[in-house]
Amino acid sequence: DAKTTQPNSMESNEEEPVHLPCNHSTISGTDYIHWYRQLPSQGPEYVIHGLTSNVNNRMASLAIAEDRKSSTLILHRATLRDAAVYYCILNSGGGADGLTFGKGTHLIIQP
Amino acid sequence: GAVVSQHPSWVICKSGTSVKIECRSLDFQATTMFWYRQFPKQSLMLMATSNEGSKATYEQGVEKDKFLINHASLTLSTLTVTSAHPEDSSFYICSANRPGEETQYFGPGTRLLVL
Repeated sequence: DAKTTQPNSMESNEEEPVHLPCNHSTISGTDYIHWYRQLPSQGPEYVIHGLTSNVNNRMASLAIAEDRKSSTLILHRATLRDAAVYYCILNSGGGADGLTFGKGTHLIIQP
Repeated sequence: GAVVSQHPSWVICKSGTSVKIECRSLDFQATTMFWYRQFPKQSLMLMATSNEGSKATYEQGVEKDKFLINHASLTLSTLTVTSAHPEDSSFYICSANRPGEETQYFGPGTRLLVL
């Protein structure tokens, strides 16, 4: 799987929007962009994924650059429960392959 | 969403003993499940892919004779850490895909401490 680059950590205030960036300049045409998050001492949790178009769900929005070399996960109104490590992962396996996790971004939410 | 469970949630064992960890998909059938390991302050590392009815596929550097994987049914995969040693102490996490979906559903993890 192609490599992704994320900031090690980010800090935001509660009830404000958060934009988590991810660079994936070597993305291939068949790679989906996935975001998962991991709360302390828990297994990862799916957040959102997309291929080319921007995506919205109840948890977040995913903005994908036109050249697909970068993407941004948007939490519209962060809460303390959103404090977690967020992983941006590329995968083209259609469910057949395990995921390659990078170091992710540790999101800190200040009350 | 889909639910994946693991049992036990934590286990403490003596060095040299074997420990079995179960991973179940509760509301879907999974022909493939994945096992990951996570050391403190590190990211998840894929250990192996568990295939129902056939042998598991191990990632480079993972000893297949030490980490035995059995996927005997479409809802259950087990990971057995044989002759566990303190360096095997880690957080073991499994995952599975609902058929036809890109999303992986992760279990809550099993924390293993080998004394």
